[in-house]
Amino acid sequence: EIVLTQSPGTLSLSPGERATLSCRASQSLSGSYLAWYQQKPGQAPRLLIYGASNRATGIPDRFSGSGSGTDFTLTITRLEPEDFAVYYCQQYGSSPPNTFGQGTRLEI
Amino acid sequence: QVQLVESGGGVVQPGKSLRLSCAASGFTFSHYGMHWVRQAPGKGLEWVAVISYDGSNEYYVDSVKGRFTISRDNSKNTLYLQMNSLRAEDTAMYYCAKDRGYCSGGRCDCGDYWGQGTLLTVSS
Repeated sequence: EIVLTQSPGTLSLSPGERATLSCRASQSLSGSYLAWYQQKPGQAPRLLIYGASNRATGIPDRFSGSGSGTDFTLTITRLEPEDFAVYYCQQYGSSPPNTFGQGTRLEI
Repeated sequence: QVQLVESGGGVVQPGKSLRLSCAASGFTFSHYGMHWVRQAPGKGLEWVAVISYDGSNEYYVDSVKGRFTISRDNSKNTLYLQMNSLRAEDTAMYYCAKDRGYCSGGRCDCGDYWGQGTLLTVSS
């Protein structure tokens, strides 16, 4: 089973700043099958990025994903107030389970 | 627009059974794999199970193998999760999510649309 480790656990920033979130896999993800999700309190997760770098439908271009192999990054440029939430990475593509990272809390 | 509505959650005693449902609309249900993902109170996301577009393949996280069964009725556009021998650690919000693709041959994609979840509490 592939284990995903996200860092930092909590990231404290201000609106307008740049956020960089990391996700490291315990083994190489072939095909860069890595997704990022945003979850706000009381809401379902929302897909932001799939295939490591492809924005999902309706996602603003201030969100971008990068990386390959075992190291992946979600970058949010110019933080907006609504971006403060918990972010999860997930690996997929290889045989399930499609494991999630433990999450990064982005707080003001 | 894509809509997923979960139902069937509630309070159940340890060792009992419950079936969750997820009603889908706004897309061709029979063309996509479907997932169940859960989230214990105050915790992170845990992927639970996935079923292929035609129901021919199912995969589970180890902690629910032999106790949970994912299934689907493409004629009713509905996904199910039959949960037996429930434990306190199964207490969570359960979300269904649509796969981005067919999810066949053991290769599934990520979930691009999610329902709002249904809460299961296992307690005596």
